[in-house]
Amino acid sequence: DAKTTQPPSMDCAEGRAANLPCNHSTISGNEYVYWYRQIHSQGPQYIIHGLKNNETNEMASLIITEDRKSSTLILPHATLRDTAVYYCIVRVGGYILTGGGNKLTFGTGTQLKVEL
Amino acid sequence: DAGITQSPRHKVTETGTPVTLRCHQTENHRYMYWYRQDPGHGLRLIHYSYGVKDTDKGEVSDGYSVSRSKTEDFLLTLESATSSQTSVYFCAISEGPGGGTQYFGPGTRLTVL
Repeated sequence: DAKTTQPPSMDCAEGRAANLPCNHSTISGNEYVYWYRQIHSQGPQYIIHGLKNNETNEMASLIITEDRKSSTLILPHATLRDTAVYYCIVRVGGYILTGGGNKLTFGTGTQLKVEL
Repeated sequence: DAGITQSPRHKVTETGTPVTLRCHQTENHRYMYWYRQDPGHGLRLIHYSYGVKDTDKGEVSDGYSVSRSKTEDFLLTLESATSSQTSVYFCAISEGPGGGTQYFGPGTRLTVL
């Protein structure tokens, strides 16, 4: 799976858009970009994923650059409850029956702090 | 939210005792996973299951065993708990191909004294 690079921390004012960047310059053509978040003491939560097109769901939007070397997760109207560690994960789609199983590799992520 | 529960949510035990953690899902998903999360290591896959009675090892499986006799339940057993197994354990499920989309349970905090 491709390596990702995220800033360690970001701040955002409540009600404003939070734009979380992720660099994945070694991404392969069959690898998807996934975003998860983990609110303190809770299990990770799936947010969104995409291959090459921009994606939007009820939680967020995912913007992937044309060369696919970077992406941005956008929380359009951040609230205090969005304070969490956000993880960008790049991996092939589909179920992988290899020794490591279908694991997700979580890096250190970005600690997003939403403030009043 | 995906219907995943874990029990117990907190447990304190002593070195050498057996411990079983339970993951229960109501989503009828085929794939289930056990991860542990430790400071400085992120989440690491312990074991996973790709169907009833079908399980395989993850990257940190030593000292752990699993069983899955029903679609909805995935058990993680520490045969003889050690202090190095003090951790937060998360169960996850995924529906099938496209297993990058996994849904996690609330976690079990295990302390081995």
